[in-house]
Amino acid sequence: QQQVKQSPQSLIVQKGGISIINCAYENTAFDYFPWYQQFPGKGPALLIAIRPDVSEKKEGRFTISFNKSAKQFSLHIMDSQPGDSATYFCAASKGSGGYQKVTFGTGTKLQVIP
Amino acid sequence: SQTIHQWPATLVQPVGSPLSLECTVEGTSNPNLYWYRQAAGRGLQLLFYSVGIGQISSEVPQNLSASRPQDRQFILSSKKLLLSDSGFYLCAWSGIARTGELFFGEGSRLTVL
Repeated sequence: QQQVKQSPQSLIVQKGGISIINCAYENTAFDYFPWYQQFPGKGPALLIAIRPDVSEKKEGRFTISFNKSAKQFSLHIMDSQPGDSATYFCAASKGSGGYQKVTFGTGTKLQVIP
Repeated sequence: SQTIHQWPATLVQPVGSPLSLECTVEGTSNPNLYWYRQAAGRGLQLLFYSVGIGQISSEVPQNLSASRPQDRQFILSSKKLLLSDSGFYLCAWSGIARTGELFFGEGSRLTVL
């Protein structure tokens, strides 16, 4: 059972435009929602994250919007640049024993064209 | 600062051959360690995690096994590879803070022929 649904699967945006990636979750026990950025042939890297008691978090051009009642969250990339071209994964985590279990979405491949 | 090393970066193996992927973390103690697999065009599937030496938990029954012989060393193994084992394998670590922050290695691309 997929617990984190991510859309779209791929996205093409013009340079300077806004990239929007959406995710939805089912398990209300999740308590941390990170986004990861992955370049081809590399491991994912943490980009930005939010806790469910906050509705929005902004870091530079990257913003997470969080809707707890709808169990949805999204990543907005403002002024998208070709260097932002990568695969983005949303994730949700919850404590499980001695570690945090992280469930990933299926990823969105973003291409920013000049 | 903390670093994570994973090797080999690329591996081509015949069906039925053994596998050993190794991962080490530097600059931290008692990390939680993870092995993920990423199939082409798909998300990240958690295979194993470890909260301490010799403590291994499996998330998905499969042809693979994991071991943690030292605090900062995590090994992924198989006795006989299957075609379906092909993929991009990622080692990751997390600290004791209760967050979902994972720090990934560069990955190992395995092709089984």
